[in-house]
Amino acid sequence: KAGVTQTPRYLIKTRGQQVTLSCSPISGHRSVSWYQQTPGQGLQFLFEYFSETQRNKGNFPGRFSGRQFSNSRSEMNVSTLELGDSALYLCASSLNGATTDTQYFGPGTRLTVL
Amino acid sequence: ILNVEQSPQSLHVQEGDSTNFTCSFPSSNFYALHWYRWETAKSPEALFVMTLNGDEKKKGRISATLNTKEGYSYLYIKGSQPEDSATYLCAFSHNAGNMLTFGGGTRLMVKP
Repeated sequence: KAGVTQTPRYLIKTRGQQVTLSCSPISGHRSVSWYQQTPGQGLQFLFEYFSETQRNKGNFPGRFSGRQFSNSRSEMNVSTLELGDSALYLCASSLNGATTDTQYFGPGTRLTVL
Repeated sequence: ILNVEQSPQSLHVQEGDSTNFTCSFPSSNFYALHWYRWETAKSPEALFVMTLNGDEKKKGRISATLNTKEGYSYLYIKGSQPEDSATYLCAFSHNAGNMLTFGGGTRLMVKP
């Protein structure tokens, strides 16, 4: 089975622009979660989607949004980019979205904001 | 704000040494505790998902224990090998979904 894939792997944007990142979960997985990793803050939860509905949301401003499609693929969007948005963005998928499910992580998208 | 603390932040050991790390988490609203291994330039790899107080899990030379009443989990590595060098992360779940709160990690370096 193919693992979680994320595109693009690397991205360079300038302040004020917007960006869309994509995540394809493991086939059959219905839950996709997004995390931001920065050197100062570690791994922080952004949001979780299950069956096309946002189920949980972390403490991030409204500039961060996401969605999930009927095939479970997910996208996250960041509008009006700030320098502090430079980070590694990871997505993870799990089979049924239960808290006891193993979450499988993708390789991440490295976003640099100049 | 949920605090998940891991100690030590980093650890240097010699090949063959056994080692252990600690993860502390809130003891209320406990649903699950996850352990991950994250090697440089790779994706985080799930090691264990633990839910029951007193739970012990083992995978090869790595094992973990869980105490939900006092809010801590230990990860043990027996006979460390250079390939065990990685950052070990624990993550706490306090609700029924997939929202994980991660600790800062313990960076393990094993010298041959």
